[in-house]
Amino acid sequence: KQEVTQIPAALSVPEGENLVLNCSFTDSAIYNLQWFRQDPGKGLTSLLLIQSSQREQTSGRLNASLDKSSGRSTLYIAASQPGDSATYLCAVPSGSRLTFGEGTQLTVNP
Amino acid sequence: DAGVTQSPTHLIKTRGQQVTLRCSPKSGHDTVSWYQQALGQGPQFIFQYYEEEERQRGNFPDRFSGHQFPNYSSELNVNALLLGDSALYLCASRNSRTGRLVGTEAFFGQGTRLTVV
Repeated sequence: KQEVTQIPAALSVPEGENLVLNCSFTDSAIYNLQWFRQDPGKGLTSLLLIQSSQREQTSGRLNASLDKSSGRSTLYIAASQPGDSATYLCAVPSGSRLTFGEGTQLTVNP
Repeated sequence: DAGVTQSPTHLIKTRGQQVTLRCSPKSGHDTVSWYQQALGQGPQFIFQYYEEEERQRGNFPDRFSGHQFPNYSSELNVNALLLGDSALYLCASRNSRTGRLVGTEAFFGQGTRLTVV
């Protein structure tokens, strides 16, 4: 059974800092890994989809890496802004379902 | 291009009642999945519909049922509501035709907040 863990559970940083969010998964036989953002009480916004054949994927200030062999992915956020405050979730496919971590709640202070 | 749309956005029901939630997938998408998200937790998979059939199911009781229509939209029905069914219900869609069913990007709606009192 696939299990996904995200560390840390919560993170508070001053504006402008670069930061790393971590995601680990137990079954490395995955096709891809997807990072999402969730604002309070809202749905999920897809940030990055990184295929198993890729090692990195970039979108603006966001960079996601994937190391299947070690069962890890990281989401790097450069020059953080207060508008980045949200919960960040990673998810991996297990069959046709997505298995999610519990998320990292990020607060960027002005 | 409209993304995934869900209705209603909020709903309050009494214990024991039945509820129906609705989802329209992103244009061009043919596969719909439903997730339940309790407060402070990650979403949990309920089931997936493809070609109007339930293809995979998570660890949820038979009180949870669904349907997919020929236009790919979907409904989630929950019978005999319990207080523990209070959660954010999320619908996700993907396009199975662009690759393997599990390899394509999933897009989520804004969710339906269900409160059972």
